[in-house]
Amino acid sequence: EDKVVQSPLSLVVHEGDTVTLNCSYEVTNFRSLLWYKQEKKAPTFLFMLTSSGIEKKSGRLSSILDKKELFSILNITATQTGDSAVYLCAGAGGTSYGKLTFGQGTILTVHP
Amino acid sequence: DVKVTQSSRYLVKRTGEKVFLECVQDMDHENMFWYRQDPGLGLRLIYFSYDVKMKEKGDIPEGYSVSREKKERFSLILESASTNQTSMYLCASRPGGTGQPQHFGDGTRLSIL
Repeated sequence: EDKVVQSPLSLVVHEGDTVTLNCSYEVTNFRSLLWYKQEKKAPTFLFMLTSSGIEKKSGRLSSILDKKELFSILNITATQTGDSAVYLCAGAGGTSYGKLTFGQGTILTVHP
Repeated sequence: DVKVTQSSRYLVKRTGEKVFLECVQDMDHENMFWYRQDPGLGLRLIYFSYDVKMKEKGDIPEGYSVSREKKERFSLILESASTNQTSMYLCASRPGGTGQPQHFGDGTRLSIL
């Protein structure tokens, strides 16, 4: 059975802090690792990682994958209150239908 | 931009009722998915469809069925609603083939009384 585990489950920081969110996975026929951000509504896509060691960046957010150790991290630098959200990690494997196995999510709260 | 629309944002139903949750996407995507999201458990896959009239069970299909008569529409059916089906339900779609992320709707918060 595929499994994705995120840590920590919740995190409270102040504006300007840097945070690191962790995701470990055990996914059969692993294809890719995805990160989503969920505020009040739909999860929105952040990154898709398929190769080890190649950092993906978008503004203050960055992510990297380690396929040998089966984990990924999501970094957020200079956090802002707008970064408060649930961050979801998911592993894609198996068939080409794009079936995802999600972790429990990390609840990030950024205080002013 | 991909648009995935779920018919209701909030829904309250009674135990034993047959409940329909509707999802429509406007990007001609082949693959569509239904998840439920519960605190501490993340998103769990109920059913998915890889083409019209084609469906496969996900990780927690018990108590649910689905229908995909048209490519743009994927319906989730609770045959006889029970209180343990109170949850947030999320629909997603993606183009067929590999390398594409799923795009989500805003979710339906369903309460079964």
